[in-house]
Amino acid sequence: DAKTTQPPSMDCAEGRAANLPCNHSTISGNEYVYWYRQIHSQGPQYIIHGLKNNETNEMASLIITEDRKSSTLILPHATLRDTAVYYCIVRSNFGNEKLTFGTGTRLTIIP
Amino acid sequence: EAGVAQSPRYKIIEKRQSVAFWCNPISGHATLYWYQQILGQGPKLLIQFQNNGVVDDSQLPKDRFSAERLKGVDSTLKIQPAKLEDSAVYLCASSGRVGRSGTYNEQFFGPGTRLTVL
Repeated sequence: DAKTTQPPSMDCAEGRAANLPCNHSTISGNEYVYWYRQIHSQGPQYIIHGLKNNETNEMASLIITEDRKSSTLILPHATLRDTAVYYCIVRSNFGNEKLTFGTGTRLTIIP
Repeated sequence: EAGVAQSPRYKIIEKRQSVAFWCNPISGHATLYWYQQILGQGPKLLIQFQNNGVVDDSQLPKDRFSAERLKGVDSTLKIQPAKLEDSAVYLCASSGRVGRSGTYNEQFFGPGTRLTVL
């Protein structure tokens, strides 16, 4: 079973920041928070991951609370191409541990 | 760099028929995964290979599903006989080189095969 809880759907206006929350209250010390997204008719795509520090890359920022029980993925300037299902996954980085997907958040960017 | 290739992209069969899906992972990736994604759900891992050995097949319905990766490169997933509840998208992923994540275990997914069982 997925170890994360996400809202089923969200809307965001084009050009605004999209903030996607995720609860992972049972996360253990060696588990990372990963975010993937799945655009319609495509396979999931890696976005970002982090352990306890905030992370930023060319796609998004990841904010993890100090107690690590929740996190927020931020798309700073959402475009129509960001419309997708976003999955928050907790996973250790030892070996090749599988990805356990929940149902994710369906983000719709409104023009 | 070429991504994960899958074929066919779409397949329609009748129940009790058999079907096979093919996956070619990214060159040099040692680990290959097959996922099943039912409409409205997230992908679920069916089987994971490390080179040509099985690492995890705990979620594979072995009475009807089989998978192989004989030379540690391409892989085939077979269903025989198919049931209505097998209608889903079958995704292949691979990992084994450092990607954007900076880790060796970042999974790269193919476009999937959409199976419809009538």
